[in-house]
Amino acid sequence: EIVMTQSPATLSVSPGERATLSCRASQSVSSNLAWYQQKPGQAPRLLIYGASTRATGIPARFSGSGSGTEFTLTISSLQSEDFAVYYCQQYNNWPGFGGGTKVEIK
Amino acid sequence: QLQLQESGPGLVKPSETLSLTCTVSGGSISSSSYYWGWIRQPPGKGLEWIGSIYYSGSTYYNPSLKSRVTISVDTSKNQFSLKLSSVTAADTAVYYCARLVDQLSRPRWFDPWGQGTLVTVSS
Repeated sequence: EIVMTQSPATLSVSPGERATLSCRASQSVSSNLAWYQQKPGQAPRLLIYGASTRATGIPARFSGSGSGTEFTLTISSLQSEDFAVYYCQQYNNWPGFGGGTKVEIK
Repeated sequence: QLQLQESGPGLVKPSETLSLTCTVSGGSISSSSYYWGWIRQPPGKGLEWIGSIYYSGSTYYNPSLKSRVTISVDTSKNQFSLKLSSVTAADTAVYYCARLVDQLSRPRWFDPWGQGTLVTVSS
């Protein structure tokens, strides 16, 4: 089983600032990684797949990087609508999610 | 635009079987480019993949749930379904259905998702 670990659990950021979220895999998943955003009471929304490819309609301020076991989601300038919980998901093996990072207003 | 909608009982008794259906609209469940899957999220917790199915009926299940899970597809109704047997309070969660992209004949990432339905296990 591939274990996905996200850090930090909570990230406090001011609007307009940059947010950097990390996701680590217990073994290599190549570039088989996706990122999702979930707001309270809503279903998750796909942001990134293939570690770095933005999904349709996702703003350019969201970017993904990494391969192997270390991945990063960067939000270049946080907007009010970006405060949410973010999950990474590997699909190198059967799908598995990280525990999430909550991005909150500082 | 593809939409998915979960339906089924919101309350299930312990030891019974949870049954949910996902209805797909705006696209065909028989597309060769996609799998269809179930994910759950206990209140206040993270996401757990339950399993996925191809329109032909081939399935992948989470090993931790495999002994209790059955996912099936009805292409004539553009629906797929989840059955989870012998439920306990630990199975209380929001259950989501979603489409998965097929890449190299394996289910990959989830997009889009249904709105989710809360299922509570309680007597």
